[in-house]
Amino acid sequence: DIQMTQSPSSVSASVGDRVTITCRASQGISSWLAWYQQKPGKAPKLLIYAASSLETGVPSRFSGSGSGTDFTLTISSLQPEDFATYYCQQANSFPITFGQGTRLEIK
Amino acid sequence: QVQLVESGGGLVKPGGSLRLSCAASGFTFSDVYMSWIRQAPGKGLEWVSKISSRGSTMYYGDSVKGRFTISRDNAKNSLYLQMDSLRAEDTAVYYCARDRNYDFWRYGMDVWGQGTTVTVSS
Repeated sequence: DIQMTQSPSSVSASVGDRVTITCRASQGISSWLAWYQQKPGKAPKLLIYAASSLETGVPSRFSGSGSGTDFTLTISSLQPEDFATYYCQQANSFPITFGQGTRLEIK
Repeated sequence: QVQLVESGGGLVKPGGSLRLSCAASGFTFSDVYMSWIRQAPGKGLEWVSKISSRGSTMYYGDSVKGRFTISRDNAKNSLYLQMDSLRAEDTAVYYCARDRNYDFWRYGMDVWGQGTTVTVSS
């Protein structure tokens, strides 16, 4: 199985900050990576697919990059509604696996 | 509008069974792969199972293989998860989710239900 490791596990930041979350795969997954945002008590929301493609309706301050084993999710200027938990997910092979999550908190 | 609504969760004893359902509306259900994903209390997301658009191919996570069965009825726009031999560690919110692209599973899951809670306890 492919292991997905996110870092950091949690991060504190302020409105307007630039934040980067990293996801590393235990083996190469080409560009088959998605990013999700989840708020407490809610279902996850797809932000990025195929490593760098922005899902329809997602603000352009979100961006994704990477290929192979190393990927990043960047939020260019944090907004109050961005404080949430973020997950990466590999879609290269079965079983599909998620990272453990990164909790983005208000500083 | 595009919507997924799960049902069937509840309290069940260890070793028992439960069948979850997911009703889809607002899109052509038979065109897309569908998945079940779960989230234990206070924990992260765990993918459980996926089924192809026609229901001919199923995939399972290691922790549920041999105990859970995914199925779909395209005529009823419905997805199912039959859960047998349930264990305490199966306690979670179970979400159904739609794959983003027509008959292709690698672009992530773009529509999720609100989740249904399964509790396995004696």
